[in-house]
Amino acid sequence: QVQLVQSGAEVKKPGASVKVSCKASGYTFMFYFIYWVRQAPGQGLEWMGIINPTDGSTTYAQKFQGRVTMTRDTSTRTVYMELSSLRSEDTAVYYCARDLAAAGRFSMDVWGQGTTVTVSS
Amino acid sequence: QSALTQPASVSGSPGQSITISCTGTSSDVGTYDVVSWYQHHPGRAPKLIIYEVNKWPSGISNRFSGSKSGNTASLTISGLQAEDEADYYCCSYAGSRTLVFGGGTKLTVL
Repeated sequence: QVQLVQSGAEVKKPGASVKVSCKASGYTFMFYFIYWVRQAPGQGLEWMGIINPTDGSTTYAQKFQGRVTMTRDTSTRTVYMELSSLRSEDTAVYYCARDLAAAGRFSMDVWGQGTTVTVSS
Repeated sequence: QSALTQPASVSGSPGQSITISCTGTSSDVGTYDVVSWYQHHPGRAPKLIIYEVNKWPSGISNRFSGSKSGNTASLTISGLQAEDEADYYCCSYAGSRTLVFGGGTKLTVL
């Protein structure tokens, strides 16, 4: 079945970087955009960016530009999200999600299980 | 990009209908018919329930329906059930491969 499996929880110190992985299975990896969304404690969902696995092109939310990097490894069907210069406000659950359709419908129908990132000194 | 505006909370009794609004701008909701809605139970991954304003993904009940007028999109849930109690988020395309979420609405089934 179609699924996205994310890497495990991380604890980082302020100023460090974190890299979260998202491994896809059950569908043609190259055809579907992957999104990253996060939810801080007590807050709503926040869109971080998108990556096209076909060519690796990315678009990031303005808020994260300069701090986030999304990449993909087509050989392992894995997408990565790296966030640098971490601060306490980056403590959140990070989700990867797949686009609904191969044509890019900008809706997210398959989600990873979430990865908790805690930033604490 | 500013978050889309949703009411913080709504409530209804079992069997009733409720509507959640999602107000954006002419740069997102008002221009693009690419508004999706997500149901989010705490501790679980969000679930897509409406895409492109008023379309259902496979397996989603038609008790959920979506609409849009101008800069405001709406989600209506009819025949409320206890399991509908969750947080609901709208999300709009905002051009240039960017998306913006609403602040979320907590639905309480009385």
